[in-house]
Amino acid sequence: NAGVTQTPKFRILKIGQSMTLQCTQDMNHNYMYWYRQDPGMGLKLIYYSVGAGITDKGEVPNGYNVSRSTTEDFPLRLELAAPSQTSVYFCASRGHMNTEAFFGQGTRLTVV
Amino acid sequence: EDKVVQSPLSLVVHEGDTVTLNCSYEVTNFRSLLWYKQEKKAPTFLFMLTSSGIEKKSGRLSSILDKKELFSILNITATQTGDSAIYLCAVQNQGGSEKLVFGKGTKLTVNP
Repeated sequence: NAGVTQTPKFRILKIGQSMTLQCTQDMNHNYMYWYRQDPGMGLKLIYYSVGAGITDKGEVPNGYNVSRSTTEDFPLRLELAAPSQTSVYFCASRGHMNTEAFFGQGTRLTVV
Repeated sequence: EDKVVQSPLSLVVHEGDTVTLNCSYEVTNFRSLLWYKQEKKAPTFLFMLTSSGIEKKSGRLSSILDKKELFSILNITATQTGDSAIYLCAVQNQGGSEKLVFGKGTKLTVNP
């Protein structure tokens, strides 16, 4: 079972560069989430989606964009990378209302 | 704004001790509260709580929810070094938004 797959696992970006963090799930889940986790901190919600074509902002959306063209994929886009975006990014998905969220293994991003 | 507050933020105990981790929340349209354990990588699911006063138990871990006072506790008895981790509390809301909001976590260190 693949579950939630994130790529890449690690990435170093220069300030001002852009990149897309990929997230794919094969569980036919409607709900998908992007979080960032700074050292010693919990998870902060960046964006989430309740289904294909529907996305909404979380707690810390500035500097990021998302799209949800299919049920399976929920990519996160950084347009102009800044050092403040250095973090570990987790994608998660959830099937129905009263079920737990499953997490990908994370992407460690460093912006220098 | 939805809020999840965990305490303490950090805790150091000796093997064999019993610990209680706290999670309080303020969220519109509460659906459920979840506990996760995070070691080096992605969070792994422990419990989901939807009803007040019903204890969920798994081995040495147990958790209970109080929907009137808006909090939950996670108990770990006879702690082991393998329990060292960050314990995350999250709250799901309902009614269209379906956000999943996390607290900052409690970092538990169990020393031999």
